[in-house]
Amino acid sequence: QSVLTQPPSVSAAPGQKVTISCSGSSSNIGRSYIFWYQQFPGTAPKLLIYDTDKRPSGIPDRFSGSKSGTSATLGITGLQTGDEADYYCGAWDTSLSAGVFGGGTKLTVL
Amino acid sequence: EVQLVESGGGLVQPGGSLRLSCAASGFTFSDYWMVWVRQAPGKGLVWVSRIKEDGSEIHYADSVKGRFTISRDNAKNTVYLQMNSLRVEDTGVYYCGRERWGFPEHWGQGALATVSS
Repeated sequence: QSVLTQPPSVSAAPGQKVTISCSGSSSNIGRSYIFWYQQFPGTAPKLLIYDTDKRPSGIPDRFSGSKSGTSATLGITGLQTGDEADYYCGAWDTSLSAGVFGGGTKLTVL
Repeated sequence: EVQLVESGGGLVQPGGSLRLSCAASGFTFSDYWMVWVRQAPGKGLVWVSRIKEDGSEIHYADSVKGRFTISRDNAKNTVYLQMNSLRVEDTGVYYCGRERWGFPEHWGQGALATVSS
């Protein structure tokens, strides 16, 4: 059972937009920066979004991050088949004094 | 270019120990917190531990507290994870990362630790 809650899977057609939610509490998402990662099978995760809504260099602006209260959202527009991957959110939990991740969301581009 | 290379993984029996190392290059190691994250086979990411630039502040996940020890040698640009009293559920790929607000900005390729009898 992960501290942060993500839907196990989402799907959409190529070219469409999808959002992945990440729900937490006032001790994590509510007061911390959010991080999003993309992971392909057999490879290390890659940073997609940091500090809730910032993109590292090289990450296209099709990817966006936002937060409202104790929930965060990853948005992906102009879906491509190459976006099929697992996506994870993470946030620092001030009560645990530890990082916490969501359980991950598998994105399928139909 | 930031590079992180983990080593030290392997097969160990329950109750045994392993020491993972993560060699860093491409940045000023002593200026950054470092973090370990693990992933059991077919499962999600789990945050493990982090250490401050000078080693003066350390945090652990409850699941490893008292069994794992994170440390660093800034002269060798290396961070370590000493894992004792290992359990079957500790099996997985262990990633080190250059940290930002508790989370990896950059990831290594991972080291597999297998705990099995």
